[in-house]
Amino acid sequence: ELKVEQNPLFLSMQEGKNYTIYCNYSTTSDRLYWYRQDPGKSLESLFVLLSNGAVKQEGRLMASLDTKARLSTLHITAAVHDLSATYFCAASNYGGSQGNLIFGKGTKLSVKP
Amino acid sequence: GAGVSQSPSNKVTEKGKDVELRCDPISGHTALYWYRQSLGQGLEFLIYFQGNSAPDKSGLPSDRFSAERTGGSVSTLTIQRTQQEDSAVYLCASSFPTESSYNSPLHFGNGTRLTVT
Repeated sequence: ELKVEQNPLFLSMQEGKNYTIYCNYSTTSDRLYWYRQDPGKSLESLFVLLSNGAVKQEGRLMASLDTKARLSTLHITAAVHDLSATYFCAASNYGGSQGNLIFGKGTKLSVKP
Repeated sequence: GAGVSQSPSNKVTEKGKDVELRCDPISGHTALYWYRQSLGQGLEFLIYFQGNSAPDKSGLPSDRFSAERTGGSVSTLTIQRTQQEDSAVYLCASSFPTESSYNSPLHFGNGTRLTVT
């Protein structure tokens, strides 16, 4: 059974600082997603990572994937208040008919001035 | 273009009543997913459709929960004899079929907030 764990679950940062959110998954996964959720809103797709060593960057966020370690990271560079949100990672062990994504519990990020 | 549309956006019901939640996926998306998110929690997978068939129903929490999809488009999630623990936000998502669009993310609707009193 695929399980996805994120840490930390809560993160309070100061503006301008760097930090990394970790996402571990328990069995082989062929895709890894990162999503952002603002309070009261739905989920917005940030990154899709498909292969070992994949790295994607958008603004102050960079995501990477190490399939051998079953680990993905979301790195935040020089945080700003607008990045405050909950970040979810999700993995899939798609094979044949199974297509569901299993989500981590989310990391609630608060960026303070 | 239109995104995933869910209705109603809010539903308050009395314990024991049945409710139906509706999801209109993005046109052309054959994969459709239902998730449940309780307050402050992560997403709990409920059911997945590929076209009109549901190869994975493993997440449905009890036999009070059922879902169907018709015409490869609209899906309804039905909860019978609702209980207070059913209170949550029910999210629907759609995507291109995973076989042909390997890197297609799920596109989520805004959810239906269900409150059982």
